[in-house]
Amino acid sequence: KQEVTQIPAALSVPEGENLVLNCSFTDSAIYNLQWFRQDPGKGLTSLLLIQSSQREQTSGRLNASLDKSSGRSTLYIAASQPGDSATYLCAGTQGGSEKLVFGKGTKLTVNP
Amino acid sequence: DTAVSQTPKYLVTQMGNDKSIKCEQNLGHDTMYWYKQDSKKFLKIMFSYNNKELIINETVPNRFSPKSPDKAHLNLHINSLELGDSAVYFCASSPWPGELFFGEGSRLTVL
Repeated sequence: KQEVTQIPAALSVPEGENLVLNCSFTDSAIYNLQWFRQDPGKGLTSLLLIQSSQREQTSGRLNASLDKSSGRSTLYIAASQPGDSATYLCAGTQGGSEKLVFGKGTKLTVNP
Repeated sequence: DTAVSQTPKYLVTQMGNDKSIKCEQNLGHDTMYWYKQDSKKFLKIMFSYNNKELIINETVPNRFSPKSPDKAHLNLHINSLELGDSAVYFCASSPWPGELFFGEGSRLTVL
């Protein structure tokens, strides 16, 4: 049974800092990996999708990578801003399944 | 022009009642999902439909019954509501394989 661990559970940083969020899967056979952000009381917003043939994706100040040999993914946020404050969730599917398994998230607070 | 829309956004009801949550997507995706987010914010899949066909049915009580009248709609009906059903229910859609897009969620409170 696939389980997803996100470290740290919470993170508080001053504005402008670069930071890394971590995600690991008990079964490293990840097909697609997706990072989301969730604002309080809101739905999930897709940030980045790493598909089966890819290892990395970038969008603006965000960069996500996936090491399929270890089943680990990192989300790098450059020059963090207060507007980045949210909970960040990683989720992955395994080959042949459309079931996206989620971690419990990292709650990020960026202080002005 | 919301991509994935759910109604109602909030639902407060008594134990034992039956309620439905509706979901519609205008993205042209073939696959739709229902996820449940519990009080600890943990998201878990409940059901998935691909072109109106049920493809994922997790260990969910029989009181939960999804229905997909067409590939743009996936509704969730819950019978005999229990206190433990209180949660936020999220609808999502995707092409397959591909990126999931979520609705804003429907917060169900059972009293």
